[in-house]
Amino acid sequence: GDSVTQMEGPVTLSEEAFLTINCTYTATGYPSLFWYVQYPGEGLQLLLKATKADDKGSNKGFEATYRKETTSFHLEKGSVQVSDSAVYFCAWDTGFQKLVFGTGTRLLVSP
Amino acid sequence: KAGVTQTPRYLIKTRGQQVTLSCSPISGHRSVSWYQQTPGQGLQFLFEYFSETQRNKGNFPGRFSGRQFSNSRSEMNVSTLELGDSALYLCASSLGAGTGAKETQYFGPGTRLLVL
Repeated sequence: GDSVTQMEGPVTLSEEAFLTINCTYTATGYPSLFWYVQYPGEGLQLLLKATKADDKGSNKGFEATYRKETTSFHLEKGSVQVSDSAVYFCAWDTGFQKLVFGTGTRLLVSP
Repeated sequence: KAGVTQTPRYLIKTRGQQVTLSCSPISGHRSVSWYQQTPGQGLQFLFEYFSETQRNKGNFPGRFSGRQFSNSRSEMNVSTLELGDSALYLCASSLGAGTGAKETQYFGPGTRLLVL
């Protein structure tokens, strides 16, 4: 069925380390893909998005490329900061304003 | 431009009571979606409204309902509250250009409901 699979967390890194959070999706049609971030006690903030195959979304040093052949949308950042500590959610939407989310990956960055 | 606002931010209710949550979308946005977030089930879609009409519904019991007003503000109601309804309820808005449009949803801060 329709779903999103994210790597289990928590992901624990030291400051300035390289980050990868894997995300694969199962969806009918041609979904838009999103990464949202949630800081403690807050709602979801849009981090980046891609709407078609081979699109690269980027924001605040984070990047993700829409890979239709592998149905993946992995999140990467070259050098994480302590302030990046949060929960990251991968999601897709086929145009019905109904997002399907992964389970979230908690990122902990230590100084 | 102001973001999505939700009121109240926190609520404590007892089993059997009912609750109404409110969401004001970003100005100009006509679609409002609601999600429930719990540690066990994660983020789940409740329903979506556009032009005062429910266009899409998730897999929740009839105790969960919603509505949208002509100014695009939306409310959701949960009747006969159960302990398992304790959750963060998130509202999101988007332009609402039409079904099939690849839009981005912008979320509010959520209402945290605790059922005792």
